[in-house]
Amino acid sequence: AQRVTQPEKLLSVFKGAPVELKCNYSYSGSPELFWYVQYSRQRLQLLLRHISRESIKGFTADLNKGETSFHLKKPFAQEEDSAMYYCALGFTGGGNKLTFGTGTQLKVEL
Amino acid sequence: KAGVTQTPRYLIKTRGQQVTLSCSPISGHRSVSWYQQTPGQGLQFLFEYFSETQRNKGNFPGRFSGRQFSNSRSEMNVSTLELGDSALYLCASAWDRGKYEQYFGPGTRLTVT
Repeated sequence: AQRVTQPEKLLSVFKGAPVELKCNYSYSGSPELFWYVQYSRQRLQLLLRHISRESIKGFTADLNKGETSFHLKKPFAQEEDSAMYYCALGFTGGGNKLTFGTGTQLKVEL
Repeated sequence: KAGVTQTPRYLIKTRGQQVTLSCSPISGHRSVSWYQQTPGQGLQFLFEYFSETQRNKGNFPGRFSGRQFSNSRSEMNVSTLELGDSALYLCASAWDRGKYEQYFGPGTRLTVT
């Protein structure tokens, strides 16, 4: 079975400070990891995925298979980064089925 | 292009009733997935449809069912509603199955009294 753990319900940082949102997964096969974000009053939307290895809005995430982690990082937090962030796990052969973590609310304070 | 639409946006039902929710995917998308979101359980996968066939199913009782039509629109049905079915139901569409970006709708808020 697949499982995603986001240990922090709420993460509060000051503007300009580094951000790291933690995500650990449990899956014995080859995982596909995603970060989704939900801004206030908006839909859930894809932020980034590990297979594309790109940086979106300054965020990056590296898949560490040894530590089964996919932490989301940004060197300098901006006020507009305040949102709910979800880590999600898919797997080869699983189609579009995603297993989501419980989410981390990021609050960037001035 | 227009995003994923879900109707109705809000719904209030009584225990024991049944309900049907609708999802219209982005034009050209053939995959539709459904999720239940609750404060206690978070986002949980219900099922995935592709080319009018259910391809994946989550761990939900048989009271939860769905279908997909030839135009890719999808409906999900919950029969014999229970208080615990109160949730936000999200659908997501994708062009195909696999490593494709999924686009989420705004959700249908179901309240069971």
